[in-house]
Amino acid sequence: GAVVSQHPSRVICKSGTSVKIECRSLDFQATTMFWYRQFPKQSLMLMATSNEGSKATYEQGVEKDKFLINHASLTLSTLTVTSAHPEDSSFYICSARRDSRWETQYFGPGTRLLVL
Amino acid sequence: DQQVKQNSPSLSVQEGRISILNCDYTNSMFDYFLWYKKYPAEGPTFLISISSIKDKNEDGRFTVFLNKSAKHLSLHIVPSQPGDSAVYFCAVSSGNTGKLIFGQGTTLQVKP
Repeated sequence: GAVVSQHPSRVICKSGTSVKIECRSLDFQATTMFWYRQFPKQSLMLMATSNEGSKATYEQGVEKDKFLINHASLTLSTLTVTSAHPEDSSFYICSARRDSRWETQYFGPGTRLLVL
Repeated sequence: DQQVKQNSPSLSVQEGRISILNCDYTNSMFDYFLWYKKYPAEGPTFLISISSIKDKNEDGRFTVFLNKSAKHLSLHIVPSQPGDSAVYFCAVSSGNTGKLIFGQGTTLQVKP
């Protein structure tokens, strides 16, 4: 079946540094990918829609200059958390759509970010 | 304000019995409703979906019911199996954009 991978799975960084998270669709091309974040015991919150070859679309309240998204190819989207702070510590999950069917939207395993 | 609510954080069911997970939403404009299953350290995996033109969709042991007037959907798992133990998220969408709004999740434990 289709697989979406994320790298790294876990990262610890110092406050003020930037962290890049990769999301790859391994066996299909995805013109659209999505980035979510999840706080403990809470739901997944959509941060932005990543569009291949164009700018990402951010949800209300998400700082686009802080969470930089680059969808440079049909199989790779990256999320860069710039000047990370402890409050950015969270679980970040991406998803990728193979086609318009809901059952072909696949989620990555997530990246646990801890900012010290 | 939570647009999608799963009011039961956890549910425990005996193997072989029915599991019923519930979800409420606030916006009548939502027209796609989905259930996802999530294991620790993994991303959510699609279980079943229903569009607003239907009130029931069945796939094997899983059935989703949609009550539009009550803005309520539920997932029935019967018979429940220990391997069904996971966190279940309901999610909704307005239009088939791929953008999803998730509930908080319900942790299901199926006891042997």
